[in-house]
Amino acid sequence: GAGVSQSPRYKVAKRGQDVALRCDPISGHVSLFWYQQALGQGPEFLTYFQNEAQLDKSGLPSDRFFAERPEGSVSTLKIQRTQQEDSAVYLCASSLGTDQPQHFGDGTRLSIL
Amino acid sequence: DAKTTQPTSMDCAEGRAANLPCNHSTISGNEYVYWYRQIHSQGPQYIIHGLKNNETNEMASLIITEDRKSSTLILPHATLRDTAVYYCIVRVVGGGSNYKLTFGKGTLLTVNP
Repeated sequence: GAGVSQSPRYKVAKRGQDVALRCDPISGHVSLFWYQQALGQGPEFLTYFQNEAQLDKSGLPSDRFFAERPEGSVSTLKIQRTQQEDSAVYLCASSLGTDQPQHFGDGTRLSIL
Repeated sequence: DAKTTQPTSMDCAEGRAANLPCNHSTISGNEYVYWYRQIHSQGPQYIIHGLKNNETNEMASLIITEDRKSSTLILPHATLRDTAVYYCIVRVVGGGSNYKLTFGKGTLLTVNP
């Protein structure tokens, strides 16, 4: 069956450029999450949506990070004026509800040169 | 959420059972134990979760001690494809801001031929 799909799988950008990362959750999943995973570390929470509402953005590292889910399905994570420390794998997860297991995509590996 | 402690790495022979321990001595009564794994270059994959009873599904078995201070994930017949980082996560289920998954560094399980 269709899982969580993320695109692109790899993104290389120059420092200072803006990037947009896309997440297609599992159909019907109300909850959507973004995580950031640095090399050799476990994923860390960035933000959470319930349908189109962004209920928690406490994990976003700076105001250069912005996420949206305008129609309650596809979500985009945007990073403005990228910095080298933004290099990481960005993971998207979705679930039927907050009490249900989260299912992850394979992530977007972002490299900032 | 309660903190978990896992060994950094473990080895297992192909075809044998892999037993991955997790200590969660500060677990609360309403906290569940979740297990995820992450194969190289993939997103985390949900394996199993439980509250106090032992659980089994098509992937693994979860044994939780009677005092709930520790648990063991059992892969009954490990294959080379089970080589991955295994994360033990404790989280409250039911209300509040407990939707975040807090990953530690996990256990790198290497299945050897």
